[in-house]
Amino acid sequence: GQNIDQPTEMTATEGAIVQINCTYQTSGFNGLFWYQQHAGEAPTFLSYNVLDGLEEKGRFSSFLSRSKGYSYLLLKELQMKDSASYLCAGRRDYKLSFGAGTTVTVRA
Amino acid sequence: SQTIHQWPATLVQPVGSPLSLECTVEGTSNPNLYWYRQAAGRGLQLLFYSVGIGQISSEVPQNLSASRPQDRQFILSSKKLLLSDSGFYLCAWSQLGGYNEQFFGPGTRLTVL
Repeated sequence: GQNIDQPTEMTATEGAIVQINCTYQTSGFNGLFWYQQHAGEAPTFLSYNVLDGLEEKGRFSSFLSRSKGYSYLLLKELQMKDSASYLCAGRRDYKLSFGAGTTVTVRA
Repeated sequence: SQTIHQWPATLVQPVGSPLSLECTVEGTSNPNLYWYRQAAGRGLQLLFYSVGIGQISSEVPQNLSASRPQDRQFILSSKKLLLSDSGFYLCAWSQLGGYNEQFFGPGTRLTVL
């Protein structure tokens, strides 16, 4: 299966860095996505990793280690607008299995 | 560019009433289509997906059904709603090939009373 585990909540200060970890079981797994979801809104795509290593996109970076069943999303230079839920999702064929999400609260 | 629409945006229905939620995609052809439900404080649960007209795969047993009468139209239905059907319903699409990033519609918030 693809059980996806991530922390429920994290709090950080504006301008700081936060790392959101995600672990999963790798049976049949072939890719890892990160989505951002603001309260009451639909998820929006942030990043995708299919190979091991770090993918950087502006203030957001995502890392994947397939052998360890581990990924993280790194948010740098936090802004108040980054307060949201961050969803880790594993891909199997064309289906995604989502974790419950990590709610990040950015404080001034 | 591609866009995805869902309606209605919000819905309040009594237990036992029928349901019909609609999702349409513009600007692409032959998309994969998905219905998810998100209960309060929970992750997204995949309900149905479709890789073509008239083709529906169900992920979880439930009193909901889905149909795809046209290439870019996906409908979620129920004959009799349960209290447990309350939630945020999201439609998504992805393109065949590539890494299948899924794009989500704005969602329908359903409250069953």
